[in-house]
Amino acid sequence: EDKVVQSPLSLVVHEGDTVTLNCSYEVTNFRSLLWYKQEKKAPTFLFMLTSSGIEKKSGRLSSILDKKELSSILNITATQTGDSAIYLCAVEGGTASKLTFGTGTRLQVTL
Amino acid sequence: DTAVSQTPKYLVTQMGNDKSIKCEQNLGHDTMYWYKQDSKKFLKIMFSYNNKELIINETVPNRFSPKSPDKAHLNLHINSLELGDSAVYFCASSQLDRPSGEQYFGPGTRLTVT
Repeated sequence: EDKVVQSPLSLVVHEGDTVTLNCSYEVTNFRSLLWYKQEKKAPTFLFMLTSSGIEKKSGRLSSILDKKELSSILNITATQTGDSAIYLCAVEGGTASKLTFGTGTRLQVTL
Repeated sequence: DTAVSQTPKYLVTQMGNDKSIKCEQNLGHDTMYWYKQDSKKFLKIMFSYNNKELIINETVPNRFSPKSPDKAHLNLHINSLELGDSAVYFCASSQLDRPSGEQYFGPGTRLTVT
C-alpha cells in the first residue's frame, strides 16, 4: 500500500524563524510529489515536484525532491503568523492520478 | 467564480439516515474525486471519476455510492449513516492528461452524524 509520512507532526515557532518540513514516501509508479497548505477550509496547492534536485520556489517558500531518498522538504523562511496552517504532502502514483496524502504537519507561528 | 463547489457546507443528521453531497466544477477538468478527512486531519481518497467513469474505488463501505451525471458533477450518496461517517468530505478535480497532478479542492462538507 502506498504510504506518505510527514514529520514533525506539529511545530510551534516564533515569527521570523525558518522551518523545514519533511515528507518521505513509498509509492508504486511515482509520478509527482505535491505540497498543499490547509488553513480553515480546503487544501490549496503550493508546489508540484517531479524531478530530483530541482528546487521550486515561491516567495519565502521553497521545496526540493530527492528521488533517491524518496523524500522532500518544504522550507519556509522568515515565517509569519499567516503561515500558520497544516502543510500536507501528497504523492501521485499508480494509475489515474491517485494522490496519497501524509498526515500533515501542523505549523503554528507565534508573535 | 468558484472553481469547485460543494453543497451543503454543513450537514447534521441522525444515524441511519440517507444523505447526499453534491459537487460541481467549472474548470473544464475531466476527473473528479471524493476525499474524506477525519478528525486527525488525515485526508484519504475514496473515489475518482474520469469522464463519468469510475477509475479509483478505494476500500469504502458500499453504503457510499458516487454518481457522476456528467464530467462537471460528482455527487456522493451515503446510506444508513453511522457515527464513524462524521468527517469533512472534500471534492476535487483535475485534468488527467496534464503533466501536473495538481488537484483543485472544493471547500468541504462537514458531516456530523449524531
